[in-house]
Amino acid sequence: AQTVTQSQPEMSVQEAETVTLSCTYDTSESDYYLFWYKQPPSRQMILVIRQEAYKQQNATENRFSVNFQKAAKSFSLKISDSQLGDAAMYFCAYLWNDMRFGAGTRLTVKP
Amino acid sequence: DSGVTQTPKHLITATGQRVTLRCSPRSGDLSVYWYQQSLDQGLQFLIQYYNGEERAKGNILERFSAQQFPDLHSELNLSSLELGDSALYFCASSVGWTTDTDTQYFGPGTRLTVL
Repeated sequence: AQTVTQSQPEMSVQEAETVTLSCTYDTSESDYYLFWYKQPPSRQMILVIRQEAYKQQNATENRFSVNFQKAAKSFSLKISDSQLGDAAMYFCAYLWNDMRFGAGTRLTVKP
Repeated sequence: DSGVTQTPKHLITATGQRVTLRCSPRSGDLSVYWYQQSLDQGLQFLIQYYNGEERAKGNILERFSAQQFPDLHSELNLSSLELGDSALYFCASSVGWTTDTDTQYFGPGTRLTVL
């Protein structure tokens, strides 16, 4: 069974600083997809970034980047130049046959 | 705005009742997924439809059922509701199957409260 673990229930970062959210997963598959979703207080799920397991290059979307280590089954999210609007729950997700989510990390951004 | 719409936004009902949640996928997307997000269970995959047919099944109760119509919108039917069914129900859509290079785009969710 595929499981996704987010070991940090809560994280805090100062505005304009950088923060890294951790995610590990367990799978026996070689081709799969990984995602980070953001859930602000509005509760909507917003796609932040995606990574295909067959790609060695780490995905980047503006201030968001990932550190994908396939052998270690690790998929961390780095948020640079943190903004107040980044405050939200962040979910790591694994996709092969169906989507599995981690328990989430609540990110607080301090002004 | 992801392009996925869900109605209603909020639903309050009583135990034992039946409700229907509706989802319209993004234009061009053939797959629709349903998820349940509750405080105790987290975010769980329920079921996926692709072009009208059931494609994958997750932790969906027998009291729950779904379908996807020819116009590709989908409905999730919840019956014999229990207090524990109170949750946020998300619909997501993607172009193809989960094993393809697809990203799922989530709708705003329907908050169901069972009293």
